[in-house]
Amino acid sequence: QITLKESGPTLVQPTQTLSLTCTFSGFSLSANGMGVAWIRQSPGEALEWLAIIFWDDIKRYSPSLNSRLTITKDTSKNQVVLTMTNMDPVDTATYYCAHRGPPGSYFDDWGQGTLVIVSS
Amino acid sequence: DIQMTQSPSSLSASVGDRVTITCRASQGISNSLAWYQQKPGKVPKFLIYTASILQSGVPSRFSGSGSGTDFTLTISSLQPEDFATYFCQQYESAPYTFGQGTKLAI
Repeated sequence: QITLKESGPTLVQPTQTLSLTCTFSGFSLSANGMGVAWIRQSPGEALEWLAIIFWDDIKRYSPSLNSRLTITKDTSKNQVVLTMTNMDPVDTATYYCAHRGPPGSYFDDWGQGTLVIVSS
Repeated sequence: DIQMTQSPSSLSASVGDRVTITCRASQGISNSLAWYQQKPGKVPKFLIYTASILQSGVPSRFSGSGSGTDFTLTISSLQPEDFATYFCQQYESAPYTFGQGTKLAI
């Protein structure tokens, strides 16, 4: 059974850097074809794909946020970390991490999500 | 980026109705399309991949079709638990974009 859980601050001040951790179980991110993605959803809005990291450490980012995002993995800890710099109130959203298994980058298991509010 | 456009944005229907939601890609994506269901305040639920393959446990009243740029999600006989918002997602190439969602209401 695959589980994922996001953790990080609920409240972030504008211009600060956000760091979110996804802790997962039930799969190994060193196994061929595996990946973990971050997806966010502003209140009442659509899902927005942010970034993904693959088993071979290849990373892909949303072009609109590319300059602000960094995704890393710690395979030994079963964790993936997303950092987002220069936070703005428009970044207020629920942030999800999700599992990507072979053969395609669809997301079959999701974490519960963590709400991040950007406000001074 | 590949843009995904869903129609309609919202839809009213009744229990027992057959409904179809459309998703259009801005360029060809073969059959690299997934569908998700999301209820208010809940995590998205993965329904369909490769445009037409149901995830294990998804009721057979759900079906998907299409390839290239045009895709559909059909619910053959709406059940009360199906009233939710549905999102399509392309995974042909990064960024793996989602549609804007279709809210299915009673």
